[in-house]
Amino acid sequence: EIVLTQSPDTLSLSPGETATLSCRASQSVSGYLAWYQQKLGQAPRLLIYDTSNRAIDIPSRFRGSGFGTDFSLTISNVEPEDFAIYFCQQRSNWPPFTFGQGTKVEI
Amino acid sequence: EVQLVESGGGLIQPGGSLRLSCVVSGFTISNNYMSWVRQAPGKGLEWVSIFYDSSTTYYADSVKGRFTISRDNSKNTIYFQMNSLRAEDTAVYYCVRSSNIHYYFDSWGQGTLVTVSS
Repeated sequence: EIVLTQSPDTLSLSPGETATLSCRASQSVSGYLAWYQQKLGQAPRLLIYDTSNRAIDIPSRFRGSGFGTDFSLTISNVEPEDFAIYFCQQRSNWPPFTFGQGTKVEI
Repeated sequence: EVQLVESGGGLIQPGGSLRLSCVVSGFTISNNYMSWVRQAPGKGLEWVSIFYDSSTTYYADSVKGRFTISRDNSKNTIYFQMNSLRAEDTAVYYCVRSSNIHYYFDSWGQGTLVTVSS
């Protein structure tokens, strides 16, 4: 099973700043990594798939990068609605699909 | 519009059974991989099971042999039969679609809470 480790656990920012979230895989997942956003009381929403492709209706301030075992999600000019929990997920080697433990982006 | 609506959650004693349902509209479930993903209170996401057809069905080790995923194409509905429930199965269970383009989880239901407690 591929283990995904996210860092940091919590990221404290002010609106307008840039957030950089990390996801590290226990073995290579090639480019098969996605990012999801989850707001309080809501279901997760797909943001990025295959490392760097934005899902439908996702603003361009969300950018994904990486390959193999090290990946990043960058949120430029953070807006108030971006404060949430972010999860990475791999589909390189399944089952099982695995998720990271999440990074909370807070004000 | 794509919609996934789960139901069937509730409070159940350890060792008991529940069947979750996920009624889908806006697409045909027989054309997509469909999964259940759960989230324990205050915790992260855990993929639990996926169904595409009778020969393409998988489970997480944590539920294998206890849970069964199935579908009724005529009702466009996914089911999740959960037997021998344990306290650690307590979670919100989400019904989720995998995109036919990139195979990630692109549509989620609102979730149904299962609480296993005596």
